[in-house]
Amino acid sequence: LAKTTQPISMDSYEGQEVNITCSHNNIATNDYITWYQQFPSQGPRFIIQGYKTKVTNEVASLFIPADRKSSTLSLPRVSLSDTAVYYCLVGSQGSGNTGKLIFGQGTTLQVKP
Amino acid sequence: DVKVTQSSRYLVKRTGEKVFLECVQDMDHENMFWYRQDPGLGLRLIYFSYDVKMKEKGDIPEGYSVSREKKERFSLILESASTNQTSMYLCASSGEGQEFYNEQFFGPGTRLTVL
Repeated sequence: LAKTTQPISMDSYEGQEVNITCSHNNIATNDYITWYQQFPSQGPRFIIQGYKTKVTNEVASLFIPADRKSSTLSLPRVSLSDTAVYYCLVGSQGSGNTGKLIFGQGTTLQVKP
Repeated sequence: DVKVTQSSRYLVKRTGEKVFLECVQDMDHENMFWYRQDPGLGLRLIYFSYDVKMKEKGDIPEGYSVSREKKERFSLILESASTNQTSMYLCASSGEGQEFYNEQFFGPGTRLTVL
């Protein structure tokens, strides 16, 4: 069964690029990788999703190496408002009506002035 | 905007009580999910539903059941609450057919305390 592992916490300063890596050594062929952001007293919010190589949207980039055993969420030029918990999710569509959704433990990112 | 609402933000119950947590989504999504969130453990899937009256167990279904009588509503039931079910409960929904890995929209959560 796939397991996702992330660093528990990270610190950064405003304006820096932040990279958060998630390890998923047992990822299966049909698994997708998704990252979510969660602020206190709120539910998680979708950031980005990918299957392989690189995906970029208006808020982040996601790098996935060829072996797909890890993925890196990249946040360019963070601000204080990016202080949050970031979750990596490995999920796939199984056969019939089954599915798999495995969240990591979350990485608490603290952005300092 | 997709909206997922949960019936209570905070709930305090006693051991042995039957507890109902309600979730409603307004985007006609097929899939709905219940998670619990505990410090150091992230989010763990309890149950999900891919259609009305259809449900599948997640990773930690023991002690829980669910009900989905209408497409927009998904209920989590604790048949006999225990102290180890004290947790934050999050509901989510996603559309686009049965691709479970698609973007999920989460509610604000219900913090349940069982005394």
